[in-house]
Amino acid sequence: GEDVEQSLFLSVREGDSSVINCTYTDSSSTYLYWYKQEPGAGLQLLTYIFSNMDMKQDQRLTVLLNKKDKHLSLRIADTQTGDSAIYFCAEMEGYALNFGKGTSLLVTP
Amino acid sequence: GAVVSQHPSWVICKSGTSVKIECRSLDFQATTMFWYRQFPKQSLMLMATSNEGSKATYEQGVEKDKFLINHASLTLSTLTVTSAHPEDSSFYICSARGSGTVGVETQYFGPGTRLLVL
Repeated sequence: GEDVEQSLFLSVREGDSSVINCTYTDSSSTYLYWYKQEPGAGLQLLTYIFSNMDMKQDQRLTVLLNKKDKHLSLRIADTQTGDSAIYFCAEMEGYALNFGKGTSLLVTP
Repeated sequence: GAVVSQHPSWVICKSGTSVKIECRSLDFQATTMFWYRQFPKQSLMLMATSNEGSKATYEQGVEKDKFLINHASLTLSTLTVTSAHPEDSSFYICSARGSGTVGVETQYFGPGTRLLVL
């Protein structure tokens, strides 16, 4: 598929909010996902949003979707050192997922 | 729920040998499983889509004779890297498609298998 774009790196201080941005390509994608990958591990599904929604909140996570601009963001409130990882956004393309390159989040004390 | 396991978690082998990686959905049935490859600091690259009871669908540029995929049951898919060479060294991740606990179609990922070919 075409490229799903993400910023490559983000550094925040512990306790601050993190915002990770993503631009996707397929306007017909029904679901958009955020996955987390810790070093040497597989991907953990964090949250998803249906394409007819603007926002979804799940505890510390808030997903915003701007369908017109094909822009997706993930906000992590009260970021902790355990949130340091790579975050991938993904769009559903048929049955497969089209991933961005991932955003490395570094949380400093 | 929606747990996917992979075995082995890491493997080191000599060039020219074949390596088999198993992917299992532990608590749900997966008619479709996916195999990805990930290079360091890179995104996941879809290699093939595996459907239970039928031949896998390979992405462009992925050699089907090199990467043999078998999806013999609703809970097991295997990837065999045949005649492995150092350039095959990578992190291989499988996923299984299902509704799981989130109630929508998504993919649940295994923990990955790190392959090092000497």
